[in-house]
Amino acid sequence: GQSLEQPSEVTAVEGAIVQINCTYQTSGFYGLSWYQQHDGGAPTFLSYNALDGLEETGRFSSFLSRSDSYGYLLLQELQMKDSASYFCAVNSGNTPLVFGKGTRLSVIA
Amino acid sequence: DGGITQSPKYLFRKEGQNVTLSCEQNLNHDAMYWYRQDPGQGLRLIYYSQIVNDFQKGDIAEGYSVSREKKESFPLTVTSAQKNPTAFYLCASSTNKEATEAFFGQGTRLTVV
Repeated sequence: GQSLEQPSEVTAVEGAIVQINCTYQTSGFYGLSWYQQHDGGAPTFLSYNALDGLEETGRFSSFLSRSDSYGYLLLQELQMKDSASYFCAVNSGNTPLVFGKGTRLSVIA
Repeated sequence: DGGITQSPKYLFRKEGQNVTLSCEQNLNHDAMYWYRQDPGQGLRLIYYSQIVNDFQKGDIAEGYSVSREKKESFPLTVTSAQKNPTAFYLCASSTNKEATEAFFGQGTRLTVV
């Protein structure tokens, strides 16, 4: 089977940097994705890592280590609007996206 | 504009009734999915379809049914056999099952009264 672990809650100060970790167990691994979901809204795609290393998209970066079955999402220059839930998801190629339970990020002033 | 549309946004159902949730996409995607989300929880897969007239069960398919008669449409029926149907239902699509990015509809919040 497949499973993902990520912290349930994280709190950070506006303007700071926060890292949300994700560890996974899966077979046939293709890549790790990250999605953002605001309360009551739909998840939206943030990033995808298929290879080891860091992918940067504006204030958001995502990292993957395939050998450690580990990745993280890094959010810089936090803004209040970044308060949301963040999900990591595994793409195995054999099954559809499998999501973690999500990390609720609260950005405080 | 291309996108994926779910309707209705809110739905109330009496116990013992079947109800169908609509999901339509004009992205020309082959793969479509239904997820269920409970408060504070992740997304759990109900059913998915990779191609017209074909679909597979996900992790929590019991009490649900789907059809895929057209590429654009993937309706979900919540049957009376689903013991705890109150939840937020999300439909998604991707170019194919191996795609790196899924696009989600705005969701349907179902409440059993």
